[in-house]
Amino acid sequence: AQSVTQPDIHITVSEGASLELRCNYSYGATPYLFWYVQSPGQGLQLLLKYFSGDTLVQGIKGFEAEFKRSQSSFNLRKPSVHWSDAAEYFCAVGAPFGNEKLTFGTGTRLTIIP
Amino acid sequence: DSGVTQTPKHLITATGQRVTLRCSPRSGDLSVYWYQQSLDQGLQFLIQYYNGEERAKGNILERFSAQQFPDLHSELNLSSLELGDSALYFCASSIGLAVQETQYFGPGTRLLVL
Repeated sequence: AQSVTQPDIHITVSEGASLELRCNYSYGATPYLFWYVQSPGQGLQLLLKYFSGDTLVQGIKGFEAEFKRSQSSFNLRKPSVHWSDAAEYFCAVGAPFGNEKLTFGTGTRLTIIP
Repeated sequence: DSGVTQTPKHLITATGQRVTLRCSPRSGDLSVYWYQQSLDQGLQFLIQYYNGEERAKGNILERFSAQQFPDLHSELNLSSLELGDSALYFCASSIGLAVQETQYFGPGTRLLVL
């Protein structure tokens, strides 16, 4: 079965600074990988996803993520954060084969300070 | 706004009771997913329906059941409620069955069991 780990429970970043949120997965092959964002009081919204091909994927709101097979990682990055990026971020993994559905990480809460 | 609606937004009930949560998917989406989000368990997949039929089950308790109606709206029934069932319940929808499809999440129903 697949699993996903987000090692950082909470990250604080200054507005305008760069951001990297970590995600590590466990799966026997290359899984489908996703990043979702949950703003306070809202449902989750897809930021980006990776299936195959170019290992650097661009998403909405200026986010990007890089798939690194050797490190089983799919870290989310943004060069310059805005106060509106304060939210909870979830990494998720899905298996290309079989009937397993998305497995979500425990989330990383991002706080932005002025 | 994802286009997915959930009612009610908040629900307060007592242990032993039964509640029904309702979800209307985005127009055109045939798949509906139910998730439970709690502090100790994180975001857990419960069950998926596609065009009225159950397609996948996750960590759904036997006290919980769901169905999808001909108009594609879905209901999640929670019975014999326990304190530990207090959580945020999300519905998500997607066009089809494939795990790589984008899931659009509703705003959630917050359930408090007293």
